Amino acid sequence: AQSVTQLDSQVPVFEEAPVELRCNYSSSVSVYLFWYVQYPNQGLQLLLKYLSGSTLVKGINGFEAEFNKSQTSFHLRKPSVHISDTAEYFCAVSNQGGKLIFGQGTELSVKP
Amino acid sequence: DTAVSQTPKYLVTQMGNDKSIKCEQNLGHDTMYWYKQDSKKFLKIMFSYNNKELIINETVPNRFSPKSPDKAHLNLHINSLELGDSAVYFCASSQVAEGVNTGELFFGEGSRLTVL
Repeated sequence: AQSVTQLDSQVPVFEEAPVELRCNYSSSVSVYLFWYVQYPNQGLQLLLKYLSGSTLVKGINGFEAEFNKSQTSFHLRKPSVHISDTAEYFCAVSNQGGKLIFGQGTELSVKP
Repeated sequence: DTAVSQTPKYLVTQMGNDKSIKCEQNLGHDTMYWYKQDSKKFLKIMFSYNNKELIINETVPNRFSPKSPDKAHLNLHINSLELGDSAVYFCASSQVAEGVNTGELFFGEGSRLTVL
C-alpha cells in the first residue's frame, strides 16, 4: 500500500525568503508524484508532477521539486515566496491504477 | 468554461435528510472521482468510475451511493445524513493515456456540506 507523509503541518515564512515543504512517500511499486495547491475556499490545482525522466521538475508559480528515489522524498521548493503563495499544499502519490493518495497537507503562511 | 463543475457549492441540511451533489466534466476524461475533505483538510478518496463502471470503492458507508449516467457525469447521493458527513466533497477527473492512468487529477471547486 502507498502512503504519503508531509513532515510539517505549518510553515511560516517571511516574504521573499526561500521555502521547502517536505514530503516522503512509501510504495512497493513505481510511483507518480504530485504537488497540489489549495487556496482558501477553492479546489485543488496542480503545481507540478513527476512521472518519469529528470528528477528535478519545475512547476507553476516558480515552484520546483526533486524526486529522490533512495530517500523516497519529493520535497517542494521555492527560492523566494510571495504573500500570494499563502495556501495549503498537498503532496500526493499514485501508481498506474489512477488512485491518488494525499498527504496531510502543509499550511504555508507568508508574512510581510 | 469550467472544466470540472459541481453543484451545489454549499449545502446546509438537517440530520436524517437525503441529499445529492452533481458533477460534470467537459475535459473528455474517462475517469471520475469523489474525494472527501474533512475539517482538518485531510483528503480521502471515496469512489472512482471509469466509463460509467465503478473501479474504486473505498470503505464508505452504504448511505453513500455514486451514480455515473455517462462518462462526463458523476453524482453522489447521500441517505440519512449524519453530523459526521459534514465536509467538503470534491469531484475530480483524470485521463488514461496509453493504458496508464497516472492519477493526475483535475478538481472541481468543491461542495461544502453542513449537517445540523
